[in-house]
Amino acid sequence: EAEVAQSPRYKITEKSQAVAFWCDPISGHATLYWYRQILGQGPELLVQFQDESVVDDSQLPKDRFSAERLKGVDSTLKIQPAELGDSAMYLCASSTLPRTDTQYFGPGTRLTVL
Amino acid sequence: KQEVTQIPAALSVPEGENLVLNCSFTDSAIYNLQWFRQDPGKGLTSLLLIQSSQREQTSGRLNASLDKSSGRSTLYIAASQPGDSATYLCAVRASGGYNKLIFGAGTRLAVHP
Repeated sequence: EAEVAQSPRYKITEKSQAVAFWCDPISGHATLYWYRQILGQGPELLVQFQDESVVDDSQLPKDRFSAERLKGVDSTLKIQPAELGDSAMYLCASSTLPRTDTQYFGPGTRLTVL
Repeated sequence: KQEVTQIPAALSVPEGENLVLNCSFTDSAIYNLQWFRQDPGKGLTSLLLIQSSQREQTSGRLNASLDKSSGRSTLYIAASQPGDSATYLCAVRASGGYNKLIFGAGTRLAVHP
C-alpha cells in the first residue's frame, strides 16, 4: 500500500539554527499539506499545495518558515532560524483532491529545539 | 472562526466496553467530518469520513454519526480492545476556499485488559 514518506523522523537542533524537513506524497496525489502538531493539541495546517502552487499559507510564520514543491511532487519545509516554540511534530499529508478525498498522513518529523 | 472541541480529553476503560467519543464544532457550514486515529509519536490514520449530507458511517466495530445542525459528531466503538488504545481526533472540513481541515485536540483512549 502506498504511503506518504517523511524524513528525518527525529531532529534535534539548537535555537537559531536552520532545519529542513522532506515529504514525498503518494504518487498521483496533487494536493500536499504540511501540519504542525504541538504536544497535546490537534494538527494545525501550515501550508497547502495544489500541484506546485501554494493555495493556503495563512498560518505559516513567513518570517522564518518557507515551503516549496518545485515539480509538484515532493516538498521541503524549512525553518530558519529555529526557536524554542517550534518544538513540535511536523506532519505531511496528501490527497488526490483537496475537498472530497481522505488525507493520508506520513509518520511525521519530531523536532526538538534546545 | 471554526472551533472543534472533543470531550472527554482522556478516557480509560476495561476491555470489552462499548464507548462513545464526542466532537462538537461551532460552525455548521462544513463540507465533511473525519475521524482519525493517532498512535503515540506516529502520524494519523483515517478511520471514517462522513459527508455533510450523510448521517453516519460504519467500519467494523466503529460507527460515526453526524448531526450538522447541532454541530455534533460521535464515534462509537463497540467491544473495545487493548489495541484500540490511541488518541482519536475529529476534524471538520470547511465549506469554502480550499476546504482546510480543522482539528480538535483529541481524546486519549486507554483500554486495559
